Amino acid sequence: QTVVTQEPSFSVSPGGTVTLTCGLSSGSVSTSYYPSWYQQTPGQAPRTLMYNTDTRSSGVPYRFSGFILGDRAALTITGAQAEDESDYYCVLYMGSGNWVFGGGTKLAVV
Amino acid sequence: EVRLMESGGGLVQPGGSPRVSCAASGFNIASYSMNWVRQAPGKGLEWVANINQDGSETDYLDSVKGRFIISRDNAKNSLYLQMKSLRAEDTAVYYCVRVRYDYFFDHWGQGTLVTVSS
Repeated sequence: QTVVTQEPSFSVSPGGTVTLTCGLSSGSVSTSYYPSWYQQTPGQAPRTLMYNTDTRSSGVPYRFSGFILGDRAALTITGAQAEDESDYYCVLYMGSGNWVFGGGTKLAVV
Repeated sequence: EVRLMESGGGLVQPGGSPRVSCAASGFNIASYSMNWVRQAPGKGLEWVANINQDGSETDYLDSVKGRFIISRDNAKNSLYLQMKSLRAEDTAVYYCVRVRYDYFFDHWGQGTLVTVSS
């Protein structure tokens, strides 16, 4: 069974930089998994942030960037703002019409 | 403007068989694969099911195979999820999601809550 791993929680200071990662229980994440990232605040539907590893969705600020970091996909926020305090989910496309979400990272901006 | 509007959620007894629907507007769903993604209360997102553009191919999360059926009516611009043999662990907000050709979810509905409880 494929498990996608994310840090359960992270904390960043306002104006600081944080990198969230997305890995696989076995194997490496590559662009072939079409990693994408979603932001969710309580009570709201998820918002698409990043797709195809490093492409920002429409309207997403430039402080968000995506890339492959070693054997993981990564999402960096450079110059974090208070409104970035959210849950962040990565999802990997496993092929044959199947996707697997990571468990999500709760980001605190404090 | 792309909009996805789910309906059909509510309180269901264990073993029940509700159907949730998703009405799409602002685009033609016939051009897109569509998915259902769910989120149990206080938990993370979980991919549930995928259907291709013409409905000829479907895929499911292992735990719902044989119990859930995803379908679509392109003439009505609508997506459906027929659920049966519901269990407490199926309690979740069910989101209707549009899939772009490069395998990501580019539009989400607001979700409909299905609560399985006696």
